[in-house]
Amino acid sequence: DIVMTQSPDSLAVSLGERATINCKSSQSVLYSSNNKNYLAWYQQKLGQPPKLLINWASTRESGVPDRFSGSGSGTDFTLIINSLQAEDVAVYYCQQYYSTPPTFGQGTKVEIK
Amino acid sequence: QLQLQESGPGLVRPSETLSLTCTVSGGSISSSVYYWGWIRQSPGKGLEWIGSVYYSGSTYYNPSLQSRLTISVNTSKNQFSLNLQSVTAADTAVYYCARLIFSGYAGWFDPWGQGTLVTVSS
Repeated sequence: DIVMTQSPDSLAVSLGERATINCKSSQSVLYSSNNKNYLAWYQQKLGQPPKLLINWASTRESGVPDRFSGSGSGTDFTLIINSLQAEDVAVYYCQQYYSTPPTFGQGTKVEIK
Repeated sequence: QLQLQESGPGLVRPSETLSLTCTVSGGSISSSVYYWGWIRQSPGKGLEWIGSVYYSGSTYYNPSLQSRLTISVNTSKNQFSLNLQSVTAADTAVYYCARLIFSGYAGWFDPWGQGTLVTVSS
């Protein structure tokens, strides 16, 4: 199985500042034939199911605010939340779908400083 | 707007079978584009993909659970179901159903049901 490791486990950011979450896979999730990274990001607020934010490492889902952006390739990926808002308090997960079983990171908790 | 809702017992005895059903509304489970999956979340193991099913009945299982797992689909009721046999306390988790996009054995999940807590205890 591909192991997904996120860092940090938690971070506290002031309102309006940037939050940066890292995700590292134990093997590359870049499919060379189409040059796509098979990686998704989710947001899970307290008491709610995960919500898809980004797939293909950098493609925002419809309706997701543009302050959320994903980047990276191969084994190293980043989710950035620009200008953090109060409603962004949540746990964020990365997930690879390059190979089965699809696997998730352990999550990064984002709080307001 | 597609919605999914899990249903089933919240308490299961050790060694018995955990059975859950996911009802899909606002869209057809018989779509040829999508798959339908189960994911569970526990404090100890985080988010774990359990398995998936296609409307035709084709199934895709996590190897770690395959020996105990059966996932099925009922297109007439727009539902799919999970049966996990011989449960132990380690199977205690919030169980989610979700639409799986891309392939049956690896893809992203969107949307998710609200989840149902299943506790394994005597």
